[in-house]
Amino acid sequence: GAVVSQHPSWVICKSGTSVKIECRSLDFQATTMFWYRQFPKQSLMLMATSNEGSKATYEQGVEKDKFLINHASLTLSTLTVTSAHPEDSSFYICSAQGGGSIMPQHFGDGTRLSIL
Amino acid sequence: DQQVKQNSPSLSVQEGRISILNCDYTNSMFDYFLWYKKYPAEGPTFLISISSIKDKNEDGRFTVFLNKSAKHLSLHIVPSQPGDSAVYFCAARTLNTDKLIFGTGTRLQVFP
Repeated sequence: GAVVSQHPSWVICKSGTSVKIECRSLDFQATTMFWYRQFPKQSLMLMATSNEGSKATYEQGVEKDKFLINHASLTLSTLTVTSAHPEDSSFYICSAQGGGSIMPQHFGDGTRLSIL
Repeated sequence: DQQVKQNSPSLSVQEGRISILNCDYTNSMFDYFLWYKKYPAEGPTFLISISSIKDKNEDGRFTVFLNKSAKHLSLHIVPSQPGDSAVYFCAARTLNTDKLIFGTGTRLQVFP
């Protein structure tokens, strides 16, 4: 149980392109979804937290107009990197959490984004 | 400000022996701790967690110990297996928030 699917797993695109990444909880309802970014040999850094039907809460330093998050249902959240540039190249990972305060986050397999 | 620290970037252990991964934290408001295992190009996989009201939690080969006074937790894997080779992250959360703070990870290599 607790499977989170993230798609696509790898994206290569030109600078200026917008890229959408999907995160789905397959066998549970995710009241909260999270988006992380990981640079090589570094820890996971939380970008934003989203609850179904409400606006995402962004961490300090994360541009909300750059990284658009939509959490339209209890099983789907999307992250759109708008007008991506080479410095946006990174490994993006989503996680989903079901109801209850003592519930672990379950992670997708991540998306490797490479902007040329 | 790194609130969750894993001071050992790597650990090498022989198959069958115990692996001990350590994690220190600075925020006394953390009340829930988790360990995740991560393979390259994959998302982290949840392993085991512990609430601050406990000092030990065991699940099969994995045991997590929490020492609140020292602000230290550890993950014990016994016996270690080659398939355990991965990067292990500890994470912490404060009461009434879902936000996880991750450590920098420890790469465990289990050799035959």
